[in-house]
Amino acid sequence: AQSVSQHNHHVILSEAASLELGCNYSYGGTVNLFWYVQYPGQHLQLLLKYFSGDPLVKGIKGFEAEFIKSKFSFNLRKPSVQWSDTAEYFCAVFSGSQGNLIFGKGTKLSVKP
Amino acid sequence: DGGITQSPKYLFRKEGQNVTLSCEQNLNHDAMYWYRQDPGQGLRLIYYSQIVNDFQKGDIAEGYSVSREKKESFPLTVTSAQKNPTAFYLCASSWGRTGELFFGEGSRLTVL
Repeated sequence: AQSVSQHNHHVILSEAASLELGCNYSYGGTVNLFWYVQYPGQHLQLLLKYFSGDPLVKGIKGFEAEFIKSKFSFNLRKPSVQWSDTAEYFCAVFSGSQGNLIFGKGTKLSVKP
Repeated sequence: DGGITQSPKYLFRKEGQNVTLSCEQNLNHDAMYWYRQDPGQGLRLIYYSQIVNDFQKGDIAEGYSVSREKKESFPLTVTSAQKNPTAFYLCASSWGRTGELFFGEGSRLTVL
């Protein structure tokens, strides 16, 4: 069965530190890849997505992610985090053959001011 | 304003009672989904529906039921057969088969 692994359960950073959150998936076919974010008290929202083309995708608030097909990875990065980036981040994978979105277990990011 | 409305936001029920969570969307999306979110577990798919009058079980459908009589509505019933119903429930919708979902604000169910 398709699965998504997020490497870190909880990451704590100081403001201005660089961020990289790991995501690996197990499906070998064509997939669409996503990062969703859930800020405290807010609904889950799309951060960025990859369907095809340039494997380096840019999302909102300065986030980017790189799709490396050979490694089945879609890691999320931000050069300099802010306190307002404190949230839970979910990697998700969609395959047309399965027809639904599979989520990782999430990574909580805490940014210290 | 287009979006997904879930109600109620908070719900308390006694063990053994069925409860129904409402989900309404005015985005004209064909597909709708119900996920359950537990701390450290991510989001797990309960049921989804690609079109009206049709729905499929997700990974954790046992103890839940749904209906899709209208395009804009996809209510979830948590039955007394669900062994651990206390959780945060998220409804979502999408316009196509891409995986890009729009989420509601969620309903937190606590069973006492």
